[in-house]
Amino acid sequence: KAGVTQTPRYLIKTRGQQVTLSCSPISGHRSVSWYQQTPGQGLQFLFEYFSETQRNKGNFPGRFSGRQFSNSRSEMNVSTLELGDSALYLCASSFYMGSSYNEQFFGPGTRLTVL
Amino acid sequence: KQEVTQIPAALSVPEGENLVLNCSFTDSAIYNLQWFRQDPGKGLTSLLLIQSSQREQTSGRLNASLDKSSGRSTLYIAASQPGDSATYLCAADNYGQNFVFGPGTRLSVLP
Repeated sequence: KAGVTQTPRYLIKTRGQQVTLSCSPISGHRSVSWYQQTPGQGLQFLFEYFSETQRNKGNFPGRFSGRQFSNSRSEMNVSTLELGDSALYLCASSFYMGSSYNEQFFGPGTRLTVL
Repeated sequence: KQEVTQIPAALSVPEGENLVLNCSFTDSAIYNLQWFRQDPGKGLTSLLLIQSSQREQTSGRLNASLDKSSGRSTLYIAASQPGDSATYLCAADNYGQNFVFGPGTRLSVLP
């Protein structure tokens, strides 16, 4: 069974631009979560989608947004990029967040560099 | 709000040693606790998931335990190998809404 895929793997953008990252979860998984990983802050939760609805959101500014499609694929968008947005963005898929069995599987991540 | 810490921050051991990594969490009302490994610049690989009703899980040379009452989990690695060198992260769910990650333990196994 195919794992979680993320595209693109690497991105270089300049300040003020916007970017869209994509995540395809494991077949059958309906929950997709996004995390930002930086050396200083570690792994921080961005948001979680289930059945095309954002159910949970972390403490990030409104420049960070996302959506989920009917096939469970998800995209996240960052507008007006700042230098501090440089990070590894990780996507995780699971059956259903909040259940007693909810193993999360991560993709390889997208490395975003903002110049 | 769930908070997760991990001790030690870094660990260097000779090949063949048994070792224990520690994870502490502040809110014991968790559904799950999950252990991951991360190689430099890569995504996270799931190692073990412990459901709240379980006390431990085993996979090969790995054994993870969970003590909800004390807010602790440990990952035991037996007969360590150089290929085990990576950063190990634990994550506890936050009221079932998302996982909160610890800062990780960077493990180096020397041949």
